[in-house]
Amino acid sequence: DTAVSQTPKYLVTQMGNDKSIKCEQNLGHDTMYWYKQDSKKFLKIMFSYNNKELIINETVPNRFSPKSPDKAHLNLHINSLELGDSAVYFCASSQVAGRSPLHFGNGTRLTVT
Amino acid sequence: DAKTTQPPSMDCAEGRAANLPCNHSTISGNEYVYWYRQIHSQGPQYIIHGLKNNETNEMASLIITEDRKSSTLILPHATLRDTAVYYCIVRVGENSGGSNYKLTFGKGTLLTVNP
Repeated sequence: DTAVSQTPKYLVTQMGNDKSIKCEQNLGHDTMYWYKQDSKKFLKIMFSYNNKELIINETVPNRFSPKSPDKAHLNLHINSLELGDSAVYFCASSQVAGRSPLHFGNGTRLTVT
Repeated sequence: DAKTTQPPSMDCAEGRAANLPCNHSTISGNEYVYWYRQIHSQGPQYIIHGLKNNETNEMASLIITEDRKSSTLILPHATLRDTAVYYCIVRVGENSGGSNYKLTFGKGTLLTVNP
């Protein structure tokens, strides 16, 4: 009964490839997010969707494209992977109300070789 | 959102209270104080939040000073499983537009609970 689940947990791929990370939440939340945690452990927001509509896009390269087929899913597609894309990517969800806590998945560790 | 300052690391003995400080001297009247933690290799976990009154839940207590320029997260009986990076974040509340949805993490405090 995992609240926010991401797949895969680990992803190793070569430069130039295209890959996707999937995220699903069963909490009934309206808002979903993608965060990136780099090697220095800084957590930075990338995207946020509210009811399938993009509301935050934090100067992320166009190679990254989120897709939300429904409000329970927010997938992250990455084209032409680069070495610098290596990081842990976290999906999260929350209610629309501003004070509501974020619920995070356990992350996807992406390694680009 | 206002910035926060936290010590980079702290130690605590198992079974004792862990008191984690956070300074947020530029906090605005409509900003809440949130605490999250991240245990190694896991996603961040929400702990508690408050506006100006002290708050308590099953995980921790949050003490906010009267001027709201600082706060303390208290884990009353720390266990080894509480070893984690603790993040103090200030964030606007409801009805504040699109940026309302953004939670900005700083460097946090690495709390190490020792046996």
